[in-house]
Amino acid sequence: AQSVAQPEDQVNVAEGNPLTVKCTYSVSGNPYLFWYVQYPNRGLQFLLKYITGDNLVKGSYGFEAEFNKSQTSFHLKKPSALVSDSALYFCAVRISMDSNYQLIWGAGTKLIIKP
Amino acid sequence: AAGVIQSPRHLIKEKRETATLKCYPIPRHDTVYWYQQGPGQDPQFLISFYEKMQSDKGSIPDRFSAQQFSDYHSELNMSSLELGDSALYFCASSLQDRAYNEQFFGPGTRLTVL
Repeated sequence: AQSVAQPEDQVNVAEGNPLTVKCTYSVSGNPYLFWYVQYPNRGLQFLLKYITGDNLVKGSYGFEAEFNKSQTSFHLKKPSALVSDSALYFCAVRISMDSNYQLIWGAGTKLIIKP
Repeated sequence: AAGVIQSPRHLIKEKRETATLKCYPIPRHDTVYWYQQGPGQDPQFLISFYEKMQSDKGSIPDRFSAQQFSDYHSELNMSSLELGDSALYFCASSLQDRAYNEQFFGPGTRLTVL
């Protein structure tokens, strides 16, 4: 079965430290991978995506993610965390359904940045 | 830039009532997706439409139905509401002919069933 896993329910990081939010996937074929962020009482916002090419993808708000095919991972990273980065982060993978597409979502990781 | 619009933003209903949620996609987007996000849960895909035809179906209950209109806006109709239907309902839109159909999400409609 095709799936996305975010092994950590919550990640706590001190402001200014680097952060990593983990994501692994299991899909057939080449994956299209996404990260979305959800701030309290807000809709999901697109952060970045990997389709093909360079394994290191840069996105919004200084975030980046590294695609690792051998480890089937797509971890989200940021060199220096800000308190305003505190939010819920979702990893997603696009799968093909006949002639259409659908996103499969991870369970989400709550990121808490402490001052 | 124009974004996905959802209305209403908040809706309170009682059990067994009906509700209609509306979604207006980004201009020129031809595909609409509906997601349901329960408290503390990840978004669950409900249903999608491409060019006014249902294109994919997820975990949408039989009590729910949806359609996409000629102006590409979509409506999610929910009948015989249950307490468990209380959730945040997201609509997303995309362009189907892109090689990677990045989905743009609306702010969501928060439905509370009492």
